[in-house]
Amino acid sequence: GENVEQHPSTLSVQEGDSAVIKCTYSDSASNYFPWYKQELGKGPQLIIDIRSNVGEKKDQRIAVTLNKTAKHFSLHITETQPEDSAVYFCAASIKDTGFQKLVFGTGTRLLVSP
Amino acid sequence: DAGVTQSPTHLIKTRGQQVTLRCSPISGHKSVSWYQQVLGQGPQFIFQYYEKEERGRGNFPDRFSARQFPNYSSELNVNALLLGDSALYLCASSERGQGYGYTFGSGTRLTVV
Repeated sequence: GENVEQHPSTLSVQEGDSAVIKCTYSDSASNYFPWYKQELGKGPQLIIDIRSNVGEKKDQRIAVTLNKTAKHFSLHITETQPEDSAVYFCAASIKDTGFQKLVFGTGTRLLVSP
Repeated sequence: DAGVTQSPTHLIKTRGQQVTLRCSPISGHKSVSWYQQVLGQGPQFIFQYYEKEERGRGNFPDRFSARQFPNYSSELNVNALLLGDSALYLCASSERGQGYGYTFGSGTRLTVV
């Protein structure tokens, strides 16, 4: 199957706290897992990604972890700032007939309060 | 360097009408994918094109069609519009449609009344 589940649907934190968003995927052949940030009126913007041969990747305040055995991956944002407020989507690359496509989760609305 | 450009940004159509949405990929990218994003949900795959050929199609009715031109720009057409077609239509370009390296445009907001 091609299903990506994402939790929570909404997340409210205080500025400076950490935020964690979790996703699970169903296709064990998936090998690429990007995270996108979408602000109001804009398209999704890639913020970090990870490939299946890596367990963790970090970029400043953002990190992603991947557990291939359990088929889940997570986004970690530390020292959150109000400008981190947006909708975040996880995705998994799924192999279809002769091509690959991204399948997205349902999104997490993150609100960071000053 | 220009990113992915989509036009128009907003569009209002009446049920039963037809609409054409346009996308210009990043220079050097030969693949375009189209996604539909209904309010409050994640993007859903519609089509992928590479080198002017359709590579894949999502679970959408035949009212949806697309094409890619020699300059790699693309059009998405939707016929016989339904209220449920109201959504943000996103175009993503990549070098070869290989499942990674996607850059999304800002989308076209289609409202069907």
